[in-house]
Amino acid sequence: DAGVIQSPRHEVTEMGQEVTLRCKPISGHDYLFWYRQTMMRGLELLIYFNNNVPIDDSGMPEDRFSAKMPNASFSTLKIQPSEPRDSAVYFCASSLGDSEAFFGQGTRLTVV
Amino acid sequence: AQSVTQPDIHITVSEGASLELRCNYSYGATPYLFWYVQSPGQGLQLLLKYFSGDTLVQGIKGFEAEFKRSQSSFNLRKPSVHWSDAAEYFCAVGDWGNQFYFGTGTSLTVIP
Repeated sequence: DAGVIQSPRHEVTEMGQEVTLRCKPISGHDYLFWYRQTMMRGLELLIYFNNNVPIDDSGMPEDRFSAKMPNASFSTLKIQPSEPRDSAVYFCASSLGDSEAFFGQGTRLTVV
Repeated sequence: AQSVTQPDIHITVSEGASLELRCNYSYGATPYLFWYVQSPGQGLQLLLKYFSGDTLVQGIKGFEAEFKRSQSSFNLRKPSVHWSDAAEYFCAVGDWGNQFYFGTGTSLTVIP
């Protein structure tokens, strides 16, 4: 398996635009996590899914953020409209039940 | 509430010197504990983990960590640091199926 795959690796967008981040988890994994990393707040859990169902989205900062997992092999994190304070590195991770998480390489988002 | 504290934001060591990165956690039950490393431009890589059993855990790249329940700590150590160890290190506590909490990270600089 190629591991957790995130795209794009880098995204630069203008304030107010919609941004969609994509994640392909490791095949067979039943948990998927979205994290955001900033210098000020470190690594934060935004939302996680179990068997494609959102379990806890309490970390999603506000209504501008939404995440979906339409099937076991794909998830998106959408920001609409984007703001400069959304600039961060966004990580996706997946795991199989009671085991460690495997992380993607992250998407570096810059909102100007 | 569960939390992870990494008291040292930044550490500088000389190549060949020993290293210890501190991690303290707050967790109601026996935690699952992890150390991850993030190299520049890379995703997170698992160094080692503790689930149960022997409190001294060996990981990859010559790292080890010791779980001390009485001190609520899980410090990461390496006897001799290499220049390639320069990276950001994250301690995390997990309760798979519920939440997974990260510390804010410790940035390691290695000087020749």
